[in-house]
Amino acid sequence: GAGVSQSPSNKVTEKGKDVELRCDPISGHTALYWYRQSLGQGLEFLIYFQGNSAPDKSGLPSDRFSAERTGGSVSTLTIQRTQQEDSAVYLCASSLERHLTDTQYFGPGTRLTVL
Amino acid sequence: GQSLEQPSEVTAVEGAIVQINCTYQTSGFYGLSWYQQHDGGAPTFLSYNALDGLEETGRFSSFLSRSDSYGYLLLQELQMKDSASYFCAALPGNTGFQKLVFGTGTRLLVSP
Repeated sequence: GAGVSQSPSNKVTEKGKDVELRCDPISGHTALYWYRQSLGQGLEFLIYFQGNSAPDKSGLPSDRFSAERTGGSVSTLTIQRTQQEDSAVYLCASSLERHLTDTQYFGPGTRLTVL
Repeated sequence: GQSLEQPSEVTAVEGAIVQINCTYQTSGFYGLSWYQQHDGGAPTFLSYNALDGLEETGRFSSFLSRSDSYGYLLLQELQMKDSASYFCAALPGNTGFQKLVFGTGTRLLVSP
């Protein structure tokens, strides 16, 4: 079956512009996660969705970052007024969430470059 | 705070055995996962340890010692395709969901 997909795969934008990153999770997966990975670093948790609600947004770096999920499926991460420090790979993952330890399946990521 | 420490890079030759260590410090601990990530690729799940001891999955094994806040990933019969970054990730378990905390990763270079 299809895995987690993300679009675009690459995004180059100018400082100050808004960007939208999209994630299509595996069908039927109720849990969805966004992470950020800076060059040579580990993954940094941003936000978690259970269905369409986000019980934990604690990882969002600033109020310029927001995310939503609709229909228990597609999620969009929006970064407003982008800054150069926002440059990173943004990864999305989904899981069934029957158990706390269900495997997270990752998408290929969106590489964001802010000039 | 929460942190996981791993060596930044490990090198080995084809056919060898390599061990990648991970020490963790988290507020609450449920288990330790390992992920593999090839350059430009998505992280993929390798293994999970909730209990002390060794878990074996083919050429890969993972070990956990809760008393030492320590784990490792063991890769045997190394192949060139094993060249990738390997991340340990702790599951604090006190968040109600799988809020993984990742280490900074170990880059494994396998040479002929």
